[in-house]
Amino acid sequence: LAKTTQPISMDSYEGQEVNITCSHNNIATNDYITWYQQFPSQGPRFIIQGYKTKVTNEVASLFIPADRKSSTLSLPRVSLSDTAVYYCLVLLYGGSQGNLIFGKGTKLSVKP
Amino acid sequence: GAGVSQSPSNKVTEKGKDVELRCDPISGHTALYWYRQSLGQGLEFLIYFQGNSAPDKSGLPSDRFSAERTGGSVSTLTIQRTQQEDSAVYLCASSPGRGSYEQYFGPGTRLTVT
Repeated sequence: LAKTTQPISMDSYEGQEVNITCSHNNIATNDYITWYQQFPSQGPRFIIQGYKTKVTNEVASLFIPADRKSSTLSLPRVSLSDTAVYYCLVLLYGGSQGNLIFGKGTKLSVKP
Repeated sequence: GAGVSQSPSNKVTEKGKDVELRCDPISGHTALYWYRQSLGQGLEFLIYFQGNSAPDKSGLPSDRFSAERTGGSVSTLTIQRTQQEDSAVYLCASSPGRGSYEQYFGPGTRLTVT
């Protein structure tokens, strides 16, 4: 399984754009990049997934360069409610994926 | 529709006692996962069930931990002779099955061993 590295914490202010970068240097050809969000006292929640270039949904955008050795989760105009831990995972798509490594994630604190 | 549910939401037990934690996955989901999360830490994988295949138990920390999934639906995680280091939030997740990258998590069971 590809190991991921991301910052332990980030601070931001309401209305700003937040970019969280994740490194996954040994990503394999069939791996997909997935991000989860976890609020205090709740289980993680899937937010976005991609393979290459750019993916956008109603919550976030995911930018993946051509070499796929890193990815950047972009949260536009964050609010206080975006304060959470964000996990980057690399998953093998189409196969059995049991042992997911969530790591400690990036703790995002949004201030007023 | 109904999401993943877990019970109890909180459990306080004495050291040495056995505990059972229950997970009800989303109907129709063939894959089920158990994780645990200690305070301020990331998620630690415990066990994974996929359909009728043999479960992936590679994350279970000791032989005091076991899990079963009856009828391909409800799952029970059992911890025997609990220790204080077992105190954590135990999270269950389900997903539609092979090839699906999205896991749906339950609210967790907070276990405190005194």
